[in-house]
Amino acid sequence: EVQLLESGGGLVQPGGSLRLSCAASGFTFSSYAMSWVRQAPGKGLEWVSVISSGSSTYYAASVKGRFTISRDNSKNTLYLQMNSLRAEDTAVYYCAKPEGYASIFDAFHLWGQGTMVTVSS
Amino acid sequence: DIQMTQSPSSLSASVGDRVTITCRASQDISNSLAWYQQKPGKAPKLLLYAASRLQSGVPSRFSGSGSGTDYTLTISSLQPEDFATYYCQHYYSNPPPFGGGTKVEIK
Repeated sequence: EVQLLESGGGLVQPGGSLRLSCAASGFTFSSYAMSWVRQAPGKGLEWVSVISSGSSTYYAASVKGRFTISRDNSKNTLYLQMNSLRAEDTAVYYCAKPEGYASIFDAFHLWGQGTMVTVSS
Repeated sequence: DIQMTQSPSSLSASVGDRVTITCRASQDISNSLAWYQQKPGKAPKLLLYAASRLQSGVPSRFSGSGSGTDYTLTISSLQPEDFATYYCQHYYSNPPPFGGGTKVEIK
């Protein structure tokens, strides 16, 4: 079965760090660009970051310099290292996959179930 | 950056109604537009991509149209399971933002 499973969320103090993981299964993980999208409580969707199959990376302005996206193709796992966390980073974080692998930017055909990150003292 | 403006932010409709949601990009996105449906506590679900291509398994009452900067999602006959929040997203360039969302509520 094709699926994505996020983990690593939790409660962290402002200024702290957290690493999210997204375990992929059922497809050739290394061939696809993978993204993170987040949703603050009661708010809309916000694209966060993407990593290409060749490990090129792009970030939203709101997280650039604080978050790092990476992947381990041997483990079929996507990561998001989040440093210098702020209250406004509180959100459900989803990993997402496009259907094709022709473009780094594409519609998201597959989503994980999400993992909650709460930044609070 | 290309901005996405989605309208309305909410609407009330009855079962059987025709519903239209629009999304406007700040510049031409060449049909690189997706529509998603999200229900409370769930991950978003892709409905359409490339502005008008229906994702496999999505009912044909959902359709998309538009070109250039202006795009539309239409639900031809609203069903009880369609009450949800809908988002557009362009993927033409970096960054690929979502629209603000449209909450479809029961009248």
